Amino acid sequence: GENVEQHPSTLSVQEGDSAVIKCTYSDSASNYFPWYKQELGKGPQLIIDIRSNVGEKKDQRIAVTLNKTAKHFSLHITETQPEDSAVYFCAASFTGTASKLTFGTGTRLQVTL
Amino acid sequence: SAVISQKPSRDICQRGTSLTIQCQVDSQVTMMFWYRQQPGQSLTLIATANQGSEATYESGFVIDKFPISRPNLTFSTLTVSNMSPEDSSIYLCSVHTHTGELFFGEGSRLTVL
Repeated sequence: GENVEQHPSTLSVQEGDSAVIKCTYSDSASNYFPWYKQELGKGPQLIIDIRSNVGEKKDQRIAVTLNKTAKHFSLHITETQPEDSAVYFCAASFTGTASKLTFGTGTRLQVTL
Repeated sequence: SAVISQKPSRDICQRGTSLTIQCQVDSQVTMMFWYRQQPGQSLTLIATANQGSEATYESGFVIDKFPISRPNLTFSTLTVSNMSPEDSSIYLCSVHTHTGELFFGEGSRLTVL
């Protein structure tokens, strides 16, 4: 089955700096890659996703890049703000949709003033 | 997106008892899932809730321990049976929409004493 590795497990950045979280996947058939943000005491929130026919996708301060050859994808957050502090999860699926998602282990991002 | 209501939001239960968690979504969705998130861990799929038929369980999860119902397209329940302290987790309802995305409820935080 699919295996998703996520690094780093914790990340601390100063407000205004950029943050990058990386994930690798094992199943070359995977073709859908969402990212979720989970704030303390809340459920995971979908923040951005990318499908395998696209190499990069941006939404304001958030971007995701996908390298199918290397089987890795990354989340980039620019101009970080304290409200970006949360746990971020990557995931992968071979169905082209969000069914049968395999999640990474999570990255705890702390944005300091 | 979809608005997902889960209840209870949290509960403290005694060993050996059972708890039923309810999930209501505000629109018809293609699929409903139940996930477990153990303290400080990632998300693990328990089962797919199938409308009008038995749920499809992932490896390591069985119907006797986690019976699931889905009587219609917008409602599902998960029961955690004969609970032990190891069942202390966040249980998350999630829905798969027609656009191929997965959204989560806020979760039910269960503590078993």
